[in-house]
Amino acid sequence: AQSVAQPEDQVNVAEGNPLTVKCTYSVSGNPYLFWYVQYPNRGLQFLLKYITGDNLVKGSYGFEAEFNKSQTSFHLKKPSALVSDSALYFCAVRDNGGVDSSASKIIFGSGTRLSIRP
Amino acid sequence: DAGVTQSPTHLIKTRGQHVTLRCSPISGHKSVSWYQQVLGQGPQFIFQYYEKEERGRGNFPDRFSARQFPNYSSELNVNALLLGDSALYLCASSQHRDRGGNTIYFGEGSWLTVV
Repeated sequence: AQSVAQPEDQVNVAEGNPLTVKCTYSVSGNPYLFWYVQYPNRGLQFLLKYITGDNLVKGSYGFEAEFNKSQTSFHLKKPSALVSDSALYFCAVRDNGGVDSSASKIIFGSGTRLSIRP
Repeated sequence: DAGVTQSPTHLIKTRGQHVTLRCSPISGHKSVSWYQQVLGQGPQFIFQYYEKEERGRGNFPDRFSARQFPNYSSELNVNALLLGDSALYLCASSQHRDRGGNTIYFGEGSWLTVV
C-alpha cells in the first residue's frame, strides 16, 4: 500500500537560512507526490507536485522539491526562509487503490511544523 | 474564480445529533472528495464522488454518508455523532477522476465540535 513518512515533527530555521522538510514515500507503480501547506485554522494550500520529468520541481512561494527515486524521497526546500513560511507542511502521495478500486485518494503524512525565527 | 467553498465554517453539536456539511467545488471540477483531519494529524480520506457516483470510501463507519448533486456540489452527513467525530472536515475538488497527477484543491474546511 502507498504511504508517506515525515520523520520530523518540527523543523526550526532562522530567517534567511535555507530550509528542508523531509519526506519519504512507498508506492507501487509511478509515484504522484504532492506538498501542501496549512496555516493555523485554515485549509490546505497546494504548493507543488511531481508527476514525471525533472527531478527538481518548483512551486508556490519560492518552494521547490527534489524527487529522488533511489532514496524514495521528496524533500521540500527553500533557499531562504521567511518568518511567514511558519506553518504545518504535509507531504502526500496519490493512492490509486489498486486495480480493483475506482478511488483516487490522497494519502497524507503526519505533517511537519516549520518554525522560522526572526 | 472562486475556490472550493465549504459551509458552515464552524459548528457545535451534541453527541447523538446529526450534521450536514456542504461543499461547492471549483467551477468545472467534477470530482469531490471529503477528508477528516483530527487535531495533530494529517487528513484522512472519507469519500470520493465523481459524476454523482461514489467512487471510493475510506475506513469510516456507516454513520458517514455523502452525495453529489447534478451541479457537482456535495454534502457530507454524519449521524449519531460521537465525541471522536470532532475534527476539521475538508472538501477537495479536482477536474477529473484520473489517477495521475491531477491536482486536488482543498477548501478552508468545516470545524465540527461534538460536546
